[in-house]
Order: sequence, then structure tokens, then C-alpha cells
Amino acid sequence: DGGITQSPKYLFRKEGQNVTLSCEQNLNHDAMYWYRQDPGQGLRLIYYSQIVNDFQKGDIAEGYSVSREKKESFPLTVTSAQKNPTAFYLCASSANTQGPLYEQYFGPGTRLTVT
Amino acid sequence: SQKIEQNSEALNIQEGKTATLTCNYTNYSPAYLQWYRQDPGRGPVFLLLIRENEKEKRKERLKVTFDTTLKQSLFHITASQPADSATYLCAPYNFNKFYFGSGTKLNVKP
Repeated sequence: DGGITQSPKYLFRKEGQNVTLSCEQNLNHDAMYWYRQDPGQGLRLIYYSQIVNDFQKGDIAEGYSVSREKKESFPLTVTSAQKNPTAFYLCASSANTQGPLYEQYFGPGTRLTVT
Repeated sequence: SQKIEQNSEALNIQEGKTATLTCNYTNYSPAYLQWYRQDPGRGPVFLLLIRENEKEKRKERLKVTFDTTLKQSLFHITASQPADSATYLCAPYNFNKFYFGSGTKLNVKP
């Protein structure tokens, strides 16, 4: 089956620790995205990548880092500098790097809890 | 800055009725707008895309309108079913990105 996988589904960390969230897609999509979703708020864009070895900051990139070494993988690291890391994290991909005509395919999400 | 408003209160309707959800945006003029469905604890799923010159788009029981003068999109589900119960997100497109609203939760009661 084609799609996007995120792992793990639930993740618990202590404050001060860095944590990496996995995102893999086998849709052969060029563009990949990371969003954060908090209760009562819309999805907020953290980082996005339109091509391998290149990525851009979204609206809330502070405290996060990403890499895009392979087309199918776009891991997100939540660093200790992120002040409120507890949230639901969603990864997405789309076929077209710039066009708005293409839907985004979302993964199942990772719920991160930091205490 | 751009702002997207969707009714934060849940919409409760009876099975068989038409559900109408509203998406208002301010401070920009998107040329495209998408609607997504999100079930609890899961990622959003794409439903429809509408362009600014289309005014209305239909797909099976779904209908989306796009009024660029009012800066508003309406999302309709006709003959609603309990399986339509979910949160619906609108996503206007601007500056090469889609910006997502917080969504409106729809409850369809049998």
C-alpha cells in the first residue's frame, strides 16, 4: 500500500531531551511537510521540503530541525529549545512542489508528550 | 497577518439534513482553497479543491462555494449520515503554502 507512515504513534520524553519523529512516504512525492496541531488551533507549518537536501522554515520553526537526505524520508527533531513541545505532529507530502492544485497526503500523526 | 476563522462550536444536525460549515479568511486573497476531513487522532484527508474563479464545486454529496468578495467559503454535506461526523478543516492557499483553519466539528445524529 502507498502512503505515509509516522512512528511512533505516541512518544513520551522528559524535558530537556531532544527527540526525533520519523516520517516515511512511498508515494514518490517531491514535497514533504511537518505540521503541529494543538487543541482548538489549526495546523501550523513547522518545516517543508520541496526537494532532497533542501528545506525551508515554516511559521513556527524555532526549536525544531529537519533533514531531507532521501526523497522518501523527512525526520523532525524536537530540540530542548522548543518551549512547548507537547502536541500532535503531522507529516504530509504532495506530488507537486509549488502548485496549489495538489492535495496533501497526511500521515497518522505522532502525539508527543514532554513532562 | 492572515486569519482563518471556522466556527469553533460543534455543529449538531439530524441524519438526512444538510450540514453547512463556514470558513472566513481575512487580510489576504487566496486563489485556491482546499477542504479536509479529520477524524479524532488521525491525519486530515483531502476532500475538495476550489479555485477562485469556480464559485462552486461538487463531489457526490459534497458542495463547496468560494465567494472572494465576502472572503468566505461554505462547505455543504447533503443527506448527511452519522459517518460524516468528523472535524472539517479549510485551507486557503497563500504565499506558496496552505494555511489551515482550526476546523469545525460536525456531529450527525441518527
